[in-house]
Amino acid sequence: QVQLVESGGGLVKPGGSLRLSCAASGFTFNDYYMTWIRQAPGKGLEWVSYISSTSSYIKYADSVKGRFTISRDNANNSLYLQMNSLRAEDTAVYYCARSLGGTAANLFDPWGQGNLVTVSS
Amino acid sequence: DIQMTQSPSSLSASVGDRVTITCRTSQSISNYLNWYQQKPGKAPNLLIDAASSLQSGVPSRFSGSGSGTDFTLTISSLRPEDLATYYCQQSYSTPYTFGQGTKLEIK
Repeated sequence: QVQLVESGGGLVKPGGSLRLSCAASGFTFNDYYMTWIRQAPGKGLEWVSYISSTSSYIKYADSVKGRFTISRDNANNSLYLQMNSLRAEDTAVYYCARSLGGTAANLFDPWGQGNLVTVSS
Repeated sequence: DIQMTQSPSSLSASVGDRVTITCRTSQSISNYLNWYQQKPGKAPNLLIDAASSLQSGVPSRFSGSGSGTDFTLTISSLRPEDLATYYCQQSYSTPYTFGQGTKLEIK
């Protein structure tokens, strides 16, 4: 079955960096756009970034633009999110999700289990 | 950015009740509206896309309707396993935005 498993979260100080990974299985990874979505503790959902199947098209939310970098390795069915210059407001559970809707990548199914990133001194 | 307004933010209902959650967008999005269910401690799960298209495996007691700026998620007969927070999401334009969520409790 389709499965997404995130890793790499944890506690980091403000200004620090962290790299999240998402391992995909059960589908042809290089056929799909992929997306990162986050959820601050007790809060709603925020779309963060997407990447096309060939890495040619990438978009970011304004809140992370210039600080976060999305990438993928199709040979290893993996998605990444490099997070630099982290701020307290980046504290959240980060989900990777398969994007549906073709090049619009505007529908998310399924989602990974989530990975908590805490930015605190 | 397209703003999403969900109501109510929480609601308590009894097993067997009909439950309706609404979602309003700040501009017309045709039918580019999706609904997700997030059970406690779990990742969200896609229920409905394109305003009214039920995903495979989702019980038929769930339905969606609407177009333009006003949308509705309806549970025709509430079951205990429907305890969750429900989110609408617009898929019309980036940044894709979500409603603030409706927390559904079972009386």
